[in-house]
Amino acid sequence: GNSVTQMEGPVTLSEEAFLTINCTYTATGYPSLFWYVQYPGEGLQLLLKATKADDKGSNKGFEATYRKETTSFHLEKGSVQVSDSAVYFCALSGGGETSGSRLTFGEGTQLTVNP
Amino acid sequence: KAGVTQTPRYLIKTRGQQVTLSCSPISGHRSVSWYQQTPGQGLQFLFEYFSETQRNKGNFPGRFSGRQFSNSRSEMNVSTLELGDSALYLCASSLVSGGSYEQYFGPGTRLTVT
Repeated sequence: GNSVTQMEGPVTLSEEAFLTINCTYTATGYPSLFWYVQYPGEGLQLLLKATKADDKGSNKGFEATYRKETTSFHLEKGSVQVSDSAVYFCALSGGGETSGSRLTFGEGTQLTVNP
Repeated sequence: KAGVTQTPRYLIKTRGQQVTLSCSPISGHRSVSWYQQTPGQGLQFLFEYFSETQRNKGNFPGRFSGRQFSNSRSEMNVSTLELGDSALYLCASSLVSGGSYEQYFGPGTRLTVT
């Protein structure tokens, strides 16, 4: 079945550091890929998405590229801020085994940015 | 547009009781999905409703059920509550955009079973 694997966390960085959170997936066909962010006490917010190979999703300085050859969708940001502290989830939908909007999530990565 | 709303935000129940959670999707969204979030299991899909019909179902026991009304509002019910049902229950409504679904999540209902 579909699955998503994220790098083990938590991740602690200093402000203005470079961020990478790794995400790899297993799916048949051509899933859509997403990054969601969850701030304390809140639901999930869609951060960015990509729907086909080599697509780059971007938002608020975050980027991720859909790499079908390595089945990866790593999240990057060039300079993190304290306000980026949150839990980040990689997710996929579609991909042949599921229909509709059902999302399969990774484990989540807790990011803490220190001033 | 108003976002996805969920009520109640917090709930405390006793083992063996049942509970009903409510979700109002973003206006115009016809698909509503439910997820359970726990520290141990992470985010797990419960079910999806579209136009009052269950379109997808996750791997949860029959104690978990849901329904959707003609105005797209959805409810989920958990009967005979167990301690392990303590979780954050998230509802999401969906829009098709750019060839894929985009899910927008509510703030969740925090259920504590004692």
